[in-house]
Amino acid sequence: AQSVTQLGSHVSVSEGALVLLRCNYSSSVPPYLFWYVQYPNQGLQLLLKHTSAATLVKGINGFEAEFKKSETSFHLTKPSAHMSDAAEYFCAVSLIQGAQKLVFGQGTRLTINP
Amino acid sequence: GAGVSQSPSNKVTEKGKDVELRCDPISGHTALYWYRQSLGQGLEFLIYFQGNSAPDKSGLPSDRFSAERTGGSVSTLTIQRTQQEDSAVYLCASSLGARSYNEQFFGPGTRLTVL
Repeated sequence: AQSVTQLGSHVSVSEGALVLLRCNYSSSVPPYLFWYVQYPNQGLQLLLKHTSAATLVKGINGFEAEFKKSETSFHLTKPSAHMSDAAEYFCAVSLIQGAQKLVFGQGTRLTINP
Repeated sequence: GAGVSQSPSNKVTEKGKDVELRCDPISGHTALYWYRQSLGQGLEFLIYFQGNSAPDKSGLPSDRFSAERTGGSVSTLTIQRTQQEDSAVYLCASSLGARSYNEQFFGPGTRLTVL
């Protein structure tokens, strides 16, 4: 069975500082990987996805993620945090073959300090 | 708008009542998903529809939960004899196709409170 672990339910950074949100997955075969963002009282919005051989994936709003198969990780980064980045971030996986459902991590709430 | 819409946005009900939650997917999207977001369980898959195929109901937590999708478009999630543990935000998503790399577009959710 697949599972996703996000290290840190809350992360706080200063405006302009590096953002690093950690995600590790467990799957019998390498899955597709996604990061979603949820702003207050809104649905989830896709930030980026890894569905090919590329190890570095660029997404919207300056975010990117690096896929490391050997570490089964897909950490999300942004070089310089902006106040508008404050939200909850979810890492998710889906199987390449078979079930199309997304399996989500528990989420990381990102707070940006002025 | 062209996004996924859900209604109602909020629903308060009494324990034991039945509720229906509606989802309108993006036009042309053949796949539709329901998820539940709760404090204790995070985001959980409930059910998946793809075209005319039999739905994947593997995530439904009990037989009180059911869903249908009429005409390959609108979907209704029904919870019978609601319990307090059913309180959650119910999210609907749709995608262009059945492949798992297809982006799922999420609606704003229906917040269900069972008193």
